[in-house]
Amino acid sequence: EDQVTQSPEALRLQEGESSSLNCSYTVSGLRGLFWYRQDPGKGPEFLFTLYSAGEEKEKERLKATLTKKESFLHITAPKPEDSATYLCAVQGKTSYDKVIFGPGTSLSVIP
Amino acid sequence: NAGVTQTPKFQVLKTGQSMTLQCAQDMNHNSMYWYRQDPGMGLRLIYYSASEGTTDKGEVPNGYNVSRLNKREFSLRLESAAPSQTSVYFCASSQAANQPQHFGDGTRLSIL
Repeated sequence: EDQVTQSPEALRLQEGESSSLNCSYTVSGLRGLFWYRQDPGKGPEFLFTLYSAGEEKEKERLKATLTKKESFLHITAPKPEDSATYLCAVQGKTSYDKVIFGPGTSLSVIP
Repeated sequence: NAGVTQTPKFQVLKTGQSMTLQCAQDMNHNSMYWYRQDPGMGLRLIYYSASEGTTDKGEVPNGYNVSRLNKREFSLRLESAAPSQTSVYFCASSQAANQPQHFGDGTRLSIL
């Protein structure tokens, strides 16, 4: 059965303090791994897709990396506006059209 | 850019009442999805439609029905609401199954 876990559950950073969020997954053949950002009262907003181990994607202060068992979302010199919940989702080759979401990491960046 | 539009945004129901949540997308996407999001549980797939004319069950389909009315619209119906269905419901769409999903802003549903 495909599974996704995320750690930590919550993270509190000072502005400028870099850190990483972890997404660990178990899937029968990865078709894609997705990162989303969710602000309170809003729907998830797409950030990145990663398809194979070794792949990296960057956008502003965010960088996503992928290995065969986990993905990291690195946040460099975060700002208060980066505060949000970050969701990881995976699609396996036996999942057909379904995507499995992790529970998310709630990030707070303090000025 | 409307993207994915969900109506209503908020709703309060009594146990046993029925209602339909509406979702429409203007991106010409083939696939559409309904999720529920509960504290500590993450997003769980209720039903999805890989293409116009097809629907399939997700992880938590019991108590729900769906209709893919056309390529743009995908509705979720609660026939007899139960307090356990109190949740935030999100609709999403994607160009294809392995492509990123685009989400609406949700319907906050409370069942008393």
